[in-house]
Amino acid sequence: SAVISQKPSRDICQRGTSLTIQCQVDSQVTMMFWYRQQPGQSLTLIATANQGSEATYESGFVIDKFPISRPNLTFSTLTVSNMSPEDSSIYLCSVAWGGAGGDYGYTFGSGTRLTVV
Amino acid sequence: GIQVEQSPPDLILQEGANSTLRCNFSDSVNNLQWFHQNPWGQLINLFYIPSGTKQNGRLSATTVATERYSLLYISSSQTTDSGVYFCAVELMYNNNDMRFGAGTRLTVKP
Repeated sequence: SAVISQKPSRDICQRGTSLTIQCQVDSQVTMMFWYRQQPGQSLTLIATANQGSEATYESGFVIDKFPISRPNLTFSTLTVSNMSPEDSSIYLCSVAWGGAGGDYGYTFGSGTRLTVV
Repeated sequence: GIQVEQSPPDLILQEGANSTLRCNFSDSVNNLQWFHQNPWGQLINLFYIPSGTKQNGRLSATTVATERYSLLYISSSQTTDSGVYFCAVELMYNNNDMRFGAGTRLTVKP
């Protein structure tokens, strides 16, 4: 399966500022996915990022708040803009992988634990 | 949209005990995965199992796609098994759209 390097691993930010999270994949992938995990909750898909086109956002998430870049097939960034304490969450990127024997699935970066104060 | 329900929400075990976690889903799926999220937040893929049974050491999983449920078995539990276990499904008619259940929080006591 693909290996994802995600950074930063954690950050504490002031409200009103922005943070950009990066994900680097060790192989070329068509789609990358960004998730949010609020404290004590499950994962929620924010958006799907295709290289060469605008990201597709899920209901409740907008580009102005969570702009995404996908400049090539191995890299993507998610920016959390104009942050408030409600944005404190773990943010994770994910890619689909295909394995031998027809197996496939999704693998995740190590996550970015964001605290907004 | 599809509903993914996990039970129980919380589980406390003594080390060495066995357990069964359940995932019910409301629609046909292409893919089902079980993940373990460790205390540091890292999501570890346990099984890709859209149907059938798989085993990996002390863990095994069974998915009965026609009845829309999956089970994760943990035998001889260890304290390192503690964390949250998530079931996630990929919709049959919307590839690359994974939906997560709420998770089962497992605590294994020494």
